[in-house]
Amino acid sequence: SQQGEEDPQALSIQEGENATMNCSYKTSINNLQWYRQNSGRGLVHLILIRSNEREKHSGRLRVTLDTSKKSSSLLITASRAADTASYFCATPTSGGSYIPTFGRGTSLIVHP
Amino acid sequence: AAGVIQSPRHLIKEKRETATLKCYPIPRHDTVYWYQQGPGQDPQFLISFYEKMQSDKGSIPDRFSAQQFSDYHSELNMSSLELGDSALYFCASSRDSLYEQYFGPGTRLTVT
Repeated sequence: SQQGEEDPQALSIQEGENATMNCSYKTSINNLQWYRQNSGRGLVHLILIRSNEREKHSGRLRVTLDTSKKSSSLLITASRAADTASYFCATPTSGGSYIPTFGRGTSLIVHP
Repeated sequence: AAGVIQSPRHLIKEKRETATLKCYPIPRHDTVYWYQQGPGQDPQFLISFYEKMQSDKGSIPDRFSAQQFSDYHSELNMSSLELGDSALYFCASSRDSLYEQYFGPGTRLTVT
């Protein structure tokens, strides 16, 4: 299965701290995407990192990709209470496609 | 900026009834994807369309069908509804099937 598996499943931190979420996948990919979902709401695309990229930044987000270890990490710096959400990594459904297959997600709670 | 529009936002149906969900992609996006997310589950890819043709098929039940119209909007038709069909149904759109997907807010379907 191409499905990404996030770690940890739940993370609780204080506002201002950094939050790190990890994702592992099983087969070769050409891209990996991270999404955010507030409870019962739509998915918001955060960032896409391609297999030839090792690190990518977007605002307070930093994503790394290690294709040799088949893993990715999402770092949210200086977290805010509004960052409370579930975060999913997603890998392509089939080899070269961009259709994501989602993992189970990490539930992040940021306490004010 | 315009986003993906889904209608209706909420739908309540009884078992064995039919339901039609609509998705209006972001302007100039030619690819539409449908996902189903059950309670506490990760989103599951159902089906996608590119330029009005089905391009990928995931775990879509035979009771469901979908199409993309000339104006690029898409409809997901669900027949013989079952209790297990209760879920959030997301539509996403992208450009040329090669770019990041942008998700709509979802339609919450409740089957009673």
